[in-house]
Amino acid sequence: DQQVKQNSPSLSVQEGRISILNCDYTNSMFDYFLWYKKYPAEGPTFLISISSIKDKNEDGRFTVFLNKSAKHLSLHIVPSQPGDSAVYFCAAGGYGGSQGNLIFGKGTKLSVKP
Amino acid sequence: DGGITQSPKYLFRKEGQNVTLSCEQNLNHDAMYWYRQDPGQGLRLIYYSQIVNDFQKGDIAEGYSVSREKKESFPLTVTSAQKNPTAFYLCASSALLPTETQYFGPGTRLLVL
Repeated sequence: DQQVKQNSPSLSVQEGRISILNCDYTNSMFDYFLWYKKYPAEGPTFLISISSIKDKNEDGRFTVFLNKSAKHLSLHIVPSQPGDSAVYFCAAGGYGGSQGNLIFGKGTKLSVKP
Repeated sequence: DGGITQSPKYLFRKEGQNVTLSCEQNLNHDAMYWYRQDPGQGLRLIYYSQIVNDFQKGDIAEGYSVSREKKESFPLTVTSAQKNPTAFYLCASSALLPTETQYFGPGTRLLVL
């Protein structure tokens, strides 16, 4: 049973517009959430994170929103650029005894068209 | 400069052969992790270690083994018992706190001949 779900396998957006990537989770014990960006044949790169005590965290063009009651988080990229085209993974952690371990979603492939 | 290195970038395994993937970090992180990525899948945890000479099984540890003799190093051995080893293997490290971010190496692609 997936504890972290990214229900959209792919997303296509025009350059300059907003990209919104979504992630749902089932375990209310998660207290830390992260987004990673991954290019083919490379390791994931950390983008942005949010603690469960916040509902928004912003870093440049990237903003993560957390809705704890809905167990939902989203990553907004504004404005989207062609170089943002990659697979984005949502991850959750901070639960129970497995300190430091993260649970990853299956990823959403973002394509930003010029 | 600090980071995580993995070697080799590509590795070929013959039937019945054990192969070892290297992972080294100079970030002074206590915790290290091994993940496997298959096409269309997320990252699945194989093994993790939070301290030298100690490690724990992840979700898919069968057919794999690890060691943690030094803080900087966390090699993964893919044994002949792993029947479907073809995948992209990723090593990561983090400071030993529940909310600390994991940083990843560049990955090793393992292929079976």
